[in-house]
Amino acid sequence: DAMVIQNPRYQVTQFGKPVTLSCSQTLNHNVMYWYQQKSSQAPKLLFHYYDKDFNNEADTPDNFQSRRPNTSFCFLDIRSPGLGDAAMYLCATSRNPAGLGSEQYFGPGTRLTVT
Amino acid sequence: AQKVTQAQTEISVVEKEDVTLDCVYETRDTTYYLFWYKQPPSGELVFLIRRNSFDEQNEISGRYSWNFQKSTSSFNFTITASQVVDSAVYFCALSEAYSGAGSYQLTFGKGTKLSVIP
Repeated sequence: DAMVIQNPRYQVTQFGKPVTLSCSQTLNHNVMYWYQQKSSQAPKLLFHYYDKDFNNEADTPDNFQSRRPNTSFCFLDIRSPGLGDAAMYLCATSRNPAGLGSEQYFGPGTRLTVT
Repeated sequence: AQKVTQAQTEISVVEKEDVTLDCVYETRDTTYYLFWYKQPPSGELVFLIRRNSFDEQNEISGRYSWNFQKSTSSFNFTITASQVVDSAVYFCALSEAYSGAGSYQLTFGKGTKLSVIP
C-alpha cells in the first residue's frame, strides 16, 4: 500500500545531542511537510518542501533543519535538542499545496523524548 | 487572518449515540478549503474529507456526515451510531486559496477529543 513511513516511532535523545528523524513516502507526492505536535495541541508546521524548494515557517527555531535528498525521503535534524523539543513529530505529504485543495497524508509520527 | 474554532474540547458519548463535532472558521478569502482529520490514539492523522468554498452540498459517507454552511461559517461533522473505534481527536482545518509559499499552511482547530464508551 502507498503510504508515509516514519522511523523510528520512538526516539530518546539526550539534552544537546543531535538527532535525526526520517520520513519516506511511496505516494510520489510533490510536497513533504514536517509538523511538531505537543500534547493536547494541534500540529504546528515547521517547514515544507515543494520538490526541492524548501520553505521554513517564520517561527521555526534555527535548531531545526531539514533535508530532502530525493522525492521519496525527507529528514528532520534537531541540532541541539532541548527539553522543550520533546514532542510528536509528524511527516506529511500532499500532491499539491493545501491552497489548491490537496489533502495531506500523514505518517504515524515519531515521539521524541529528551532526557 | 484565518482561524478555526472547535469549541468542544472533549465529548463523551455512549456507544450507538449520535454525536456532532462543531467547527467554525474565519477567513477573508472567497476561495478556501476545509478539511477534517481524525487522530486516533496511535497518533497518525487520517484525512476524512475536503470541501471547497463553492460546494455547499452536504456529504455522507457511511456513518459520517458533514454539514457545510457558509452563512454561519460552519463545517460540522456528525457521527451516527457511534462506535468505540470512533474514539479519537478530530481536527477541523482550513486553507485559503493558493497565493504562494503561505498556501501550504493548514490552519488547524485545537481539536475535539471524542470518547465513545461501550
